[in-house]
Amino acid sequence: KAGVTQTPRYLIKTRGQQVTLSCSPISGHRSVSWYQQTPGQGLQFLFEYFSETQRNKGNFPGRFSGRQFSNSRSEMNVSTLELGDSALYLCASSLPGQVGTEAFFGQGTRLTVV
Amino acid sequence: AQKITQTQPGMFVQEKEAVTLDCTYDTSDQSYGLFWYKQPSSGEMIFLIYQGSYDEQNATEGRYSLNFQKARKSANLVISASQLGDSAMYFCAMREITGNQFYFGTGTSLTVIP
Repeated sequence: KAGVTQTPRYLIKTRGQQVTLSCSPISGHRSVSWYQQTPGQGLQFLFEYFSETQRNKGNFPGRFSGRQFSNSRSEMNVSTLELGDSALYLCASSLPGQVGTEAFFGQGTRLTVV
Repeated sequence: AQKITQTQPGMFVQEKEAVTLDCTYDTSDQSYGLFWYKQPSSGEMIFLIYQGSYDEQNATEGRYSLNFQKARKSANLVISASQLGDSAMYFCAMREITGNQFYFGTGTSLTVIP
């Protein structure tokens, strides 16, 4: 069974631009979460989508947004990019619900803002 | 307060030896799950092992075992018979009953020496 697919793998953008990252979860998984990983802040939760609805949101500015489509694929968008947005963005898919539900991660999109 | 604390930024272990990676957590939830993930340089987070807060026995998965001490709020990962391929970052994570997000520690970089 195919794993979590994130595209693109690498991205270079200029300050002020916007970017859209894509995540295709494992078939049958309706919960998709996004995390930002930086050397300084570590792994931080951005948001979670379930059945096209945002269920939970981390402490990030409104420039960070996302959505989920009816096939569970998710996109996240960052507008007005800043240098500090350079990070590895990880997407995780899981079955909904309990604390023991494992999350499967993609390989991430490495975003560099110059 | 930090939800997950990993106090060992870097660890070295001789090939075929065992190593323990430390993790302490903080939660007021009665129901929670503790996870360990491995992140090689490729970026993908690979699930290793899970321990539920109500599980009385320590979890084991092959060469990985989780030393769960609930009263001390610790969930240390033990890797037995280390292999060169074990060299990677290791993250301890927690999921609480009150939300679906993972809280991650800052990670431990493990290097296996031949």
